[in-house]
Amino acid sequence: GEDVEQSLFLSVREGDSSVINCTYTDSSSTYLYWYKQEPGAGLQLLTYIFSNMDMKQDQRLTVLLNKKDKHLSLRIADTQTGDSAIYFCAETLPGSGNTGKLIFGQGTTLQVKP
Amino acid sequence: DAGVIQSPRHEVTEMGQEVTLRCKPISGHDYLFWYRQTMMRGLELLIYFNNNVPIDDSGMPEDRFSAKMPNASFSTLKIQPSEPRDSAVYFCASRKGPNTGELFFGEGSRLTVL
Repeated sequence: GEDVEQSLFLSVREGDSSVINCTYTDSSSTYLYWYKQEPGAGLQLLTYIFSNMDMKQDQRLTVLLNKKDKHLSLRIADTQTGDSAIYFCAETLPGSGNTGKLIFGQGTTLQVKP
Repeated sequence: DAGVIQSPRHEVTEMGQEVTLRCKPISGHDYLFWYRQTMMRGLELLIYFNNNVPIDDSGMPEDRFSAKMPNASFSTLKIQPSEPRDSAVYFCASRKGPNTGELFFGEGSRLTVL
């Protein structure tokens, strides 16, 4: 199938690390993405990883990719209340070639408690 | 630069009425996507265009849905007749190039069909 799966909800305390997990379907996906959606807004690209990489770090964000298990994770260090949002994992739709048509997971709602 | 602009932001209508949602992509972007977001089904791709030409409309739920892109700076998504199950947030997104990854989303049009 074409499902990208994520857990629906994660609650952490401010200052802790958050880890959001995702499993995807197509091992040939060239890029995998994390998008963030704040209340009442559209999605914004947070970060992405190319499939030949295992890890990518960008300030407080660390993306880990396990191609064998088709598992992608997003770690947010020192989570702040402003990080409260819905986080979407996305992969390029299988067979979409160069169009880069994205399939999104259901989204993980991150709740950060003060 | 202005982002992707959608209108209306909110629409409440009665079952059976025609609904038209509008989108202005970012200037210079040659790909335009329409997504629908609901609690039950998450974020679904409805249709996308490349250089104003519809490429894949396999996600359009029924014949009641139609989308057009008469020029590079404007697209519409029309629902006729509307039904309560069409209630959702409809997002337009645009991107420059085939596989650069970053979709830029509008803020969405929240549709409620009574």
